[in-house]
Amino acid sequence: SQQGEEDPQALSIQEGENATMNCSYKTSINNLQWYRQNSGRGLVHLILIRSNEREKHSGRLRVTLDTSKKSSSLLITASRAADTASYFCATHPDLGAGGTSYGKLTFGQGTILTVHP
Amino acid sequence: DTEVTQTPKHLVMGMTNKKSLKCEQHMGHRAMYWYKQKAKKPPELMFVYSYEKLSINESVPSRFSPECPNSSLLNLHLHALQPEDSALYLCASSQDKFLEGFGYTFGSGTRLTVV
Repeated sequence: SQQGEEDPQALSIQEGENATMNCSYKTSINNLQWYRQNSGRGLVHLILIRSNEREKHSGRLRVTLDTSKKSSSLLITASRAADTASYFCATHPDLGAGGTSYGKLTFGQGTILTVHP
Repeated sequence: DTEVTQTPKHLVMGMTNKKSLKCEQHMGHRAMYWYKQKAKKPPELMFVYSYEKLSINESVPSRFSPECPNSSLLNLHLHALQPEDSALYLCASSQDKFLEGFGYTFGSGTRLTVV
């Protein structure tokens, strides 16, 4: 079963605009990660935020995490046509959940982002 | 080398065939993973290997048989697959499944079609 739900399912914007994607999850987590996937190929790790962090930046990316609401958002500023891809959040379970949870990175449904030149 | 290499990139196989997918990394990562991804869906975890030992099997049918011959190599042996097994199979690695705070490195996948 999938841990995360993302919205919107699809987002279409113009180059230069900002894109915001949201992710919600259900169980306690150790960390939350965001990945990008181009054209159904491999996933690229973008950014990781730990459960005790609230905000993290990497270049044009800004991720927030609200553990009380079990939600995260990914903001891409000044978007480019090359940002067109599917974006997935993925959660790593709280290590207190037990040894059988170690390594169970679970992906949300994803947001398809289209940036028009 | 910061890549995970998967071969072949494309595979078409009949339901009676036996084939294998190969995954290789030389980053010294001690955890390796197989994921299955259907079109327009997120990747779903199949297997986790930690220090060359199988640690998680997500109730995957026995027609999928993973193997980790050494710390750099991960195979997925396929036998008697069904057309619904057609999907993109992704391999990934991470430093250590017990270490928090590290992302996964994914290969570009093998697109499998079962006819």
